[in-house]
Amino acid sequence: ETGVTQSPTHLIKTRGQQVTLRCSSQSGHNTVSWYQQALGQGPQFIFQYYREEENGRGNFPPRFSGLQFPNYSSELNVNALELDDSALYLCASSVGQARVNTIYFGEGSWLTVV
Amino acid sequence: DQQVKQNSPSLSVQEGRISILNCDYTNSMFDYFLWYKKYPAEGPTFLISISSIKDKNEDGRFTVFLNKSAKHLSLHIVPSQPGDSAVYFCAATSGTYKYIFGTGTRLKVLA
Repeated sequence: ETGVTQSPTHLIKTRGQQVTLRCSSQSGHNTVSWYQQALGQGPQFIFQYYREEENGRGNFPPRFSGLQFPNYSSELNVNALELDDSALYLCASSVGQARVNTIYFGEGSWLTVV
Repeated sequence: DQQVKQNSPSLSVQEGRISILNCDYTNSMFDYFLWYKKYPAEGPTFLISISSIKDKNEDGRFTVFLNKSAKHLSLHIVPSQPGDSAVYFCAATSGTYKYIFGTGTRLKVLA
């Protein structure tokens, strides 16, 4: 167990709706990254937050947005949901901004868009 | 453009034998690599990492080998156990904020 917790674990949304996924990072970890894992694929980087600021972003449209709070927990928001957004959304936490870091994943949130 | 490739989608190995999982990469700037194991309905679990300044790293039954000239790394599991049955992902970074993952190899260890 990594100490990274995510909620909800499963949810179903309708196309066009909005969703918020939540993540509590491992104790002592101040950096949070979000990944999307579609069926049969590896995780794909969405963005990273460090000290409440977006620190980097992958190839995802602006309707994917996030927040990090002073306690280092984080949210991923997706607006105008599309069918292709159906995936496992993974939160990963790490310590600081070292050049390389091991990231530790939570259990993920399964999103189905119908 | 798949910068990290795991060309074997699945692998079956007898219990007690060696499992070898392979990973190739194309970006010569990658200099830190990790392996993760994923069971169904769980998030990926960190297994082992290697920096490009090394060519081998061991942790118990798990050893990772890095061949920089071939842009290839492999994970060896010896001896393989039924509990090792999972999907294994390799990931790479060039020291930026993101990791690039392969598509995974499903390992099945047969009792």
